[in-house]
Amino acid sequence: SQQGEEDPQALSIQEGENATMNCSYKTSINNLQWYRQNSGRGLVHLILIRSNEREKHSGRLRVTLDTSKKSSSLLITASRAADTASYFCATSETGGFKTIFGAGTRLFVKA
Amino acid sequence: DTAVSQTPKYLVTQMGNDKSIKCEQNLGHDTMYWYKQDSKKFLKIMFSYNNKELIINETVPNRFSPKSPDKAHLNLHINSLELGDSAVYFCASSQSRMRTRSTDTQYFGPGTRLTVL
Repeated sequence: SQQGEEDPQALSIQEGENATMNCSYKTSINNLQWYRQNSGRGLVHLILIRSNEREKHSGRLRVTLDTSKKSSSLLITASRAADTASYFCATSETGGFKTIFGAGTRLFVKA
Repeated sequence: DTAVSQTPKYLVTQMGNDKSIKCEQNLGHDTMYWYKQDSKKFLKIMFSYNNKELIINETVPNRFSPKSPDKAHLNLHINSLELGDSAVYFCASSQSRMRTRSTDTQYFGPGTRLTVL
């Protein structure tokens, strides 16, 4: 079964607005990671949150993790046109080396 | 300095051919991966090696054969290419935690866009 499903699939906002993306997963995890992929490029790691953490910040990024609901959210504050990209959540399962990626949220920030 | 590099960046070939994609990382990581990203951007793990040992082998046709000559290199050889193999293939590396059997941040290469005609 697929793990790490993002919601929404696509999001279009104005520059300066906040963007929130959600991720749900099915199994127990060691950590959850968010990645960004610009068009035609590889994935770039944004932030990692461990299963015993509830919230983490990095610059304009805020990630929350609710292990009871098996869900996570990524908030990008004061978005910029350069934030336009696809965002993926990825889960590292407990007891395994596999990291499973979701289908991603495509974010478009209009200048 | 490029952390994870792949060659070639683009690969266009005929059905039935055999091709290889090479990957190298200079991060000193012990684990490397191959992923396939389809046209809908879904990223699927294919293989993973830890210190030259295969640790993940997903349901992938045996026409795909990974080879890890050392822990800094992981190559992917594909035999008898089919139209459905057209995709972007990403190599990645990370440092794994053997004690907890978990994986941390992965560093991705730029991808190899394979087109099978």
